[in-house]
Amino acid sequence: GAGVSQSPSNKVTEKGKDVELRCDPISGHTALYWYRQSLGQGLEFLIYFQGNSAPDKSGLPSDRFSAERTGGSVSTLTIQRTQQEDSAVYLCASSTGIGLVETQYFGPGTRLLVL
Amino acid sequence: DQQVKQNSPSLSVQEGRISILNCDYTNSMFDYFLWYKKYPAEGPTFLISISSIKDKNEDGRFTVFLNKSAKHLSLHIVPSQPGDSAVYFCAASGIGTYKYIFGTGTRLKVLA
Repeated sequence: GAGVSQSPSNKVTEKGKDVELRCDPISGHTALYWYRQSLGQGLEFLIYFQGNSAPDKSGLPSDRFSAERTGGSVSTLTIQRTQQEDSAVYLCASSTGIGLVETQYFGPGTRLLVL
Repeated sequence: DQQVKQNSPSLSVQEGRISILNCDYTNSMFDYFLWYKKYPAEGPTFLISISSIKDKNEDGRFTVFLNKSAKHLSLHIVPSQPGDSAVYFCAASGIGTYKYIFGTGTRLKVLA
């Protein structure tokens, strides 16, 4: 079946502009995660959605970052008033949302460059 | 504070030899560990995992070893193949939690 898809694959924007990044999880997966990988860094957890529960936003670096998940499927990560330090690869992952241990399946990522 | 550390940013190995990638962690509450492989322009893909009740898990050419007392795990690839060239991330979590803590990755290059 189809894996996790993300769009756009690349995004170049000017400092101060808003950007929206989209994630389509694997069908039937109730858990969805956003991560960020900056140059030379590991994957940094941003936000987690599970079913209808309140999302865990503890990893969002500032209030310029927000995410929503409509209908329990597609998710959008929005960065307002982008800054150059927001340049990174943004990765989305999904998992089944059941069981004590979960394998997360990642999308290809969106490479964001803020000029 | 980096809870999961991969101290070697890169590693080169001759084809057919063993590749050993190392990972250290600081949080004794971690009890589930995973390795992911990442090719350029692709997302990480799950490779192998181990829970804290085991000290070894094997899947084909890939074996993960866990030393809980040393808070250390390693991934062995034998024999190494050029297609194994990628960035390898280790990750840790607690059973029943959903957050993975990732290391910074090790870039493996397998030379033909």
